[in-house]
Amino acid sequence: AQTVTQSQPEMSVQEAETVTLSCTYDTSESDYYLFWYKQPPSRQMILVIRQEAYKQQNATENRFSVNFQKAAKSFSLKISDSQLGDAAMYFCAYRAITSGTYKYIFGTGTRLKVLA
Amino acid sequence: GAGVSQSPRYKVAKRGQDVALRCDPISGHVSLFWYQQALGQGPEFLTYFQNEAQLDKSGLPSDRFFAERPEGSVSTLKIQRTQQEDSAVYLCASSLDRSYEQYFGPGTRLTVT
Repeated sequence: AQTVTQSQPEMSVQEAETVTLSCTYDTSESDYYLFWYKQPPSRQMILVIRQEAYKQQNATENRFSVNFQKAAKSFSLKISDSQLGDAAMYFCAYRAITSGTYKYIFGTGTRLKVLA
Repeated sequence: GAGVSQSPRYKVAKRGQDVALRCDPISGHVSLFWYQQALGQGPEFLTYFQNEAQLDKSGLPSDRFFAERPEGSVSTLKIQRTQQEDSAVYLCASSLDRSYEQYFGPGTRLTVT
């Protein structure tokens, strides 16, 4: 069974600095998607960035980028120039491509605090 | 257009009561997912619909949980004889089709007292 692990329950970063959130996963599949979602106190899950496993190039979205290491099954999120609005829970998620339901499997989340 | 909406946003139920949680997906989205998010945890899959067909209900924790999507649009998650362990946020997500990105609603926070 696939699993997703986020080993950092909480992280803090100074405004305008850079922070990296870690995520590891386990799967026997060769093709899949990985996601980072942001969940502010309003509870609305917002997609931050997506990575297709068959693409070697790391995905980037403005200040957000990932370091995808397929062999190591690692998928970390880097947030550059952190802003107060980045404070939220961040969830790493896995989704299979070829099998079954296409349900998301989430990690337990990392709470990011941004210090002014 | 409008995103995924859920109602009610908050629900307090006494133990043993039945509750019904509603999800309105994005118009035209074929796939619909329900997740349960316990306090301090990540969301966990409950069930999945493709149009009106419930193709996977492997995540439903007990036979007290029942979901339906009779016309392939709005979905209802029903919990019978609620227990304290049912207290959680229930998230609904929809996607254009099952292989596409899922869009989440704001969730319903259920508290069972």
